[in-house]
Amino acid sequence: SAVISQKPSRDICQRGTSLTIQCQVDSQVTMMFWYRQQPGQSLTLIATANQGSEATYESGFVIDKFPISRPNLTFSTLTVSNMSPEDSSIYLCSVEFLGSEAFFGQGTRLTVV
Amino acid sequence: GIQVEQSPPDLILQEGANSTLRCNFSDSVNNLQWFHQNPWGQLINLFYIPSGTKQNGRLSATTVATERYSLLYISSSQTTDSGVYFCAVGSNAGNMLTFGGGTRLMVKP
Repeated sequence: SAVISQKPSRDICQRGTSLTIQCQVDSQVTMMFWYRQQPGQSLTLIATANQGSEATYESGFVIDKFPISRPNLTFSTLTVSNMSPEDSSIYLCSVEFLGSEAFFGQGTRLTVV
Repeated sequence: GIQVEQSPPDLILQEGANSTLRCNFSDSVNNLQWFHQNPWGQLINLFYIPSGTKQNGRLSATTVATERYSLLYISSSQTTDSGVYFCAVGSNAGNMLTFGGGTRLMVKP
């Protein structure tokens, strides 16, 4: 298993600003992912965070809006840029050991006003 | 991409009752997990079960990969079982998980 620390746990932000969410894992992991959960909805994959290279984004998500960094095998950040109320969601990071179980951080509950 | 459907979408139980949640998926998978999302939004791992049967206390799960479905059984439900249950699958196309729509469970005292 893995212990995943995600910060902040919640935030209220003004529209037009940006928020950076951090995800720290207690061991080196191969795969790290970022998901979004809009109110009352299921989880949707935003991107795969690749160590040492650009993230791989899913359809409907772009780097300018959701820049991601992954400087090493234990840490990643997701930035939500130029926020609008539609960005109000829970954002979760996830890690997976190759061919095994995925684990999630506790999530960041973002409200944009 | 792979499709994941969960049923029922909503379920109300009286405390002590048993229930079965279902997850259907549209293609072969190499990963299947059940999660419980608590009221604070945290996803709790229940089972990693790409095939076979597992039990953990009052919960058990069965995945029949050849028929592309998985079942989560909750016995003697408690109010603390309330929340949203998600099934998520991973296919050979990548390691990321695709989530079903969830089953929202409410257990009444």
